[in-house]
Amino acid sequence: DTAVSQTPKYLVTQMGNDKSIKCEQNLGHDTMYWYKQDSKKFLKIMFSYNNKELIINETVPNRFSPKSPDKAHLNLHINSLELGDSAVYFCASRKRTGGRFEQYFGPGTRLTVT
Amino acid sequence: RKEVEQDPGPFNVPEGATVAFNCTYSNSASQSFFWYRQDCRKEPKLLMSVYSSGNEDGRFTAQLNRASQYISLLIRDSKLSDSATYLCVVKGYNNNDMRFGAGTRLTVKP
Repeated sequence: DTAVSQTPKYLVTQMGNDKSIKCEQNLGHDTMYWYKQDSKKFLKIMFSYNNKELIINETVPNRFSPKSPDKAHLNLHINSLELGDSAVYFCASRKRTGGRFEQYFGPGTRLTVT
Repeated sequence: RKEVEQDPGPFNVPEGATVAFNCTYSNSASQSFFWYRQDCRKEPKLLMSVYSSGNEDGRFTAQLNRASQYISLLIRDSKLSDSATYLCVVKGYNNNDMRFGAGTRLTVKP
């Protein structure tokens, strides 16, 4: 069974549209993340979220908003898509065991804005 | 200076070779260190955490040098299946403070 799942896997859309990417984890973790991996392969954290706090990376445009209906889901909503938003978006969740820190990534959503 | 720097490679090595990657980080207050592996068009997967005393997992050995602010990964007896991009990851105090290197690409050839 997939631990962290994302839908859709591929998303092609036009500039100016609004879209959402869904993420679900069945690991019982309480912290989830969104990352962006651009064409140069740099992975950058966008948000981290648990049931107590949302931390937003200050470089993320406010067109991006995470929405968490419950502990197992963290969706990413993007308004007014721009060409520069084209990238692979990864969701992740975190396990913390005895002070150790492990992240599990979803398979990614490849977003192409035309 | 980038926060986390890695030699992008590519490293092309024959099967059975030993290969080492280094990674340097700029924030001396960094708390936790990791190596992730990412296959082409796949998600990153945790390979191993890096502890101050150094740690080994099978053919993989990770070392941390806080004084010089670098992390290393040594792969012994390389297998074809080790071909991937290896990402160095450095974490600070809070949940959001995760910095990824751009990755080092390894290709192991028969």
